[in-house]
Amino acid sequence: EAGVAQSPRYKIIEKRQSVAFWCNPISGHATLYWYQQILGQGPKLLIQFQNNGVVDDSQLPKDRFSAERLKGVDSTLKIQPAKLEDSAVYLCASSFLMAGELFFGEGSRLTVL
Amino acid sequence: SQQGEEDPQALSIQEGENATMNCSYKTSINNLQWYRQNSGRGLVHLILIRSNEREKHSGRLRVTLDTSKKSSSLLITASRAADTASYFCATDGAGNYGQNFVFGPGTRLSVLP
Repeated sequence: EAGVAQSPRYKIIEKRQSVAFWCNPISGHATLYWYQQILGQGPKLLIQFQNNGVVDDSQLPKDRFSAERLKGVDSTLKIQPAKLEDSAVYLCASSFLMAGELFFGEGSRLTVL
Repeated sequence: SQQGEEDPQALSIQEGENATMNCSYKTSINNLQWYRQNSGRGLVHLILIRSNEREKHSGRLRVTLDTSKKSSSLLITASRAADTASYFCATDGAGNYGQNFVFGPGTRLSVLP
């Protein structure tokens, strides 16, 4: 069974530039999460989808971050414009059940200069 | 917030010893999960314990849950160098079933050969 795929693995940009991350969850997983993990900290939930609907985006900085999950499968997370403090690993996770085990991708490491 | 808080922040032990990590949380939960993260990788699910369970085992892992104290512990027996990683607990709040899994800051475990 293929795992959660994320790309790119690494991205370096200047502040005020934009960046997009892509996630392909495990086939059949209806729930998809985007987490931000700053070095030395635990993952912080940015947004949770159930199929293509948003369940929770209360911690998503909506002035600069956006996310979508078209057709309830793949998802993209965009940051525009990026700030220095956005430097982090962006983790995508999916689960079959709403309250079940989360399967994580390897993450996309963003460095904002 | 029902954020879990792991304790200790860092733990260093010799191979073959047991490692115990604790997690405390603030509000009632539906379930609590433990995850492992190797450096530079995504998180891997270890075990899920429901609010009506008190103890679960999986191989060398033993998890306990005390809902009256709002705490959980993860015991790794006969540790190996390969157990070196960060360990996180995650909770979803009662009434928000399956929503907004919140991770603590983690315990960094070092197992010395």
